[in-house]
Amino acid sequence: DGGITQSPKYLFRKEGQNVTLSCEQNLNHDAMYWYRQDPGQGLRLIYYSQIVNDFQKGDIAEGYSVSREKKESFPLTVTSAQKNPTAFYLCASSILGLAGGSGELFFGEGSRLTVL
Amino acid sequence: GESVGLHLPTLSVQEGDNSIINCAYSNSASDYFIWYKQESGKGPQFIIDIRSNMDKRQGQRVTVLLNKTVKHLSLQIAATQPGDSAVYFCAETTGGGNKLTFGTGTQLKVEL
Repeated sequence: DGGITQSPKYLFRKEGQNVTLSCEQNLNHDAMYWYRQDPGQGLRLIYYSQIVNDFQKGDIAEGYSVSREKKESFPLTVTSAQKNPTAFYLCASSILGLAGGSGELFFGEGSRLTVL
Repeated sequence: GESVGLHLPTLSVQEGDNSIINCAYSNSASDYFIWYKQESGKGPQFIIDIRSNMDKRQGQRVTVLLNKTVKHLSLQIAATQPGDSAVYFCAETTGGGNKLTFGTGTQLKVEL
């Protein structure tokens, strides 16, 4: 079945370590996104990419990095520079970004990162 | 900055009753709105969307109303069921852009 797969579902990290969250989609979507969700809050955009080898910063990009070497994959690295990395991370994809498309974002099941 | 917010953080309704979840937005240029449902520990799922050239749109058991004059959006769920229990988010974007701005969410609890 088509969809978005995030891994790992749960991840623990020691302070000062970088960690990479995986996001793979087989929906043939052009655009992919990373959101961060904190308890009782909405989703905040970290990075997004509309095309391979190109990506843009979202609202809270500091301390994060991404790559888009393949259309299907959009990994997120949480670096040691991120001061408060404990959160629920959601990856999403859509057709042609939102411009010209239905606007529907398809989300993965999320990755919960806890910094010990 | 622009923001999208919800009036109530928690809404409790009896099974079978209708639910109304509200959302206020501040960007008058917003022209596309989406409602998402998020169950515990899962990613959000698309429910229904509406463009600014419409006032109302209906889906299966759900209706979205848009009042551009007061910049207000609502999601109505008919005959609320236990499976409707979740957090509901409104989101908006402008000019067919590629960035959705999400509200903080409303927790809907369905009481039996």
